[in-house]
Amino acid sequence: GDSVTQTEGLVTLTEGLPVMLNCTYQSTYSPFLFWYVQHLNEAPKLLLKSFTDNKRPEHQGFHATLHKSSSSFHLQKSSAQLSDSALYYCALSYGSSGNKLIFGIGTLLSVKP
Amino acid sequence: GPKVLQIPSHQIIDMGQMVTLNCDPVSNHLYFYWYKQILGQQMEFLVNFYNGKVMEKSKLFKDQFSVERPDGSYFTLKIQPTALEDSAVYFCASSRGGNTGQLYFGEGSKLTVL
Repeated sequence: GDSVTQTEGLVTLTEGLPVMLNCTYQSTYSPFLFWYVQHLNEAPKLLLKSFTDNKRPEHQGFHATLHKSSSSFHLQKSSAQLSDSALYYCALSYGSSGNKLIFGIGTLLSVKP
Repeated sequence: GPKVLQIPSHQIIDMGQMVTLNCDPVSNHLYFYWYKQILGQQMEFLVNFYNGKVMEKSKLFKDQFSVERPDGSYFTLKIQPTALEDSAVYFCASSRGGNTGQLYFGEGSKLTVL
């Protein structure tokens, strides 16, 4: 069945270092991929969504590239900020699925000074 | 930005009792969702709802579960009767479109069944 795998449960970084959070997926068809972010005591909110035309989505310094050959959608940022500390979820859905998102387990990013 | 409100944020009840989780979605949104997250696991889709009807439900959406949104008021998830395995955080979400993947989530309602 369809699934999303996030291999790191916790990533701890020093401010200013690059961020990379892993996301791989298994799917029957060609899905859309998403990154949602949840800060402490807040609701999860959409950070990035993959495009159909191979463009690289970017938001708040974060970007992710959909690689269909390796079924990956890793999240990257060149320089971590303290405010990036949060729980990051990778998710997939199909255009016809009525927004039924399949989530990964999430990666907690902790950025330290 | 647009907010989805969930009431209550926490609820503790005894097994077998009924519980209703309430969700106030973003005002101009047409699609509504419930997701369930057991501690330490990923969020899982329960049900989506549009135009007064359930569109799709997962196998997690047991017969004891029901959803409704009477007359544009709260979108509710009712569990009757509750079981121990219903203990989880329940996230409500809403969206304008049905296939964009852009959902607006609430902060979750943590349900503990004793």
